[in-house]
Amino acid sequence: DQQVKQNSPSLSVQEGRISILNCDYTNSMFDYFLWYKKYPAEGPTFLISISSIKDKNEDGRFTVFLNKSAKHLSLHIVPSQPGDSAVYFCAASAGRGTSYGKLTFGQGTILTVHP
Amino acid sequence: DTGVSQDPRHKITKRGQNVTFRCDPISEHNRLYWYRQTLGQGPEFLTYFQNEAQLEKSRLLSDRFSAERPKGSFSTLEIQRTEQGDSAMYLCASSLMTGRQYFGPGTRLTVT
Repeated sequence: DQQVKQNSPSLSVQEGRISILNCDYTNSMFDYFLWYKKYPAEGPTFLISISSIKDKNEDGRFTVFLNKSAKHLSLHIVPSQPGDSAVYFCAASAGRGTSYGKLTFGQGTILTVHP
Repeated sequence: DTGVSQDPRHKITKRGQNVTFRCDPISEHNRLYWYRQTLGQGPEFLTYFQNEAQLEKSRLLSDRFSAERPKGSFSTLEIQRTEQGDSAMYLCASSLMTGRQYFGPGTRLTVT
C-alpha cells in the first residue's frame, strides 16, 4: 500500500532551466509534507516543507506547491544547477500540521542537471 | 556542527548471524527514529522513541528486530538470525518534539 507515490523514477534537465518533481498521496490524514534530497552514501537532507494550511512555500530557488483536492504536491527548482543532481524524496506525516512522528516516503526521483 | 552519527557505516554478515547498529542523535533531540531503505525505494519507517520510550513500531519490525534507547540518548537496533531480505540501508534520524527530522549517513547491511 504505497501511500506516497513519485511516479517519475528519473528526470533530466539542462542547467538554468526549471526542474519540476511531482508527488501524489492517498492518505487524507497527511497534513505536513516535506522534500528531502539524498546524495550517494549520505543520509537524506531536508530541503523544504509545507503544511496543509498553505498551498505554496518558497525558499530561494525551491518552491513547493500543494493541491489538497488533488492530493498532489510538486517541487519546483529554478534555476536548476548541476549541484542539484541527486535523488529527491517526497515525504508526508499526519498529526498537528508539523513533522510529527513517522514520515512516509515516496520512492524517489533521480534528478540529473546537465551543464 | 554535530549531526546524527551511525556506526558502523557498513556491515557484511552471514545469514543467521546477529548484528547490532548504533545511532547517536543530535544531543538536544528527544525523538529518535529508525528507517530502512532498500534499493530503488524510499525510506520505510521502523520505529521511534521519545526519550527512552518506544512509542510506535511498524509491522515491518518482526520479532527478530529489537530497538532500545536506554537513558534517552543513543539507540541500538539489533537484528537476530539475519536473513538475506534484511540487506538494506538502515537510517537513523532525530528531531525535537515537533521539529524536522535530521538523518544520519546510514548503516549499509549486506547479508550473504
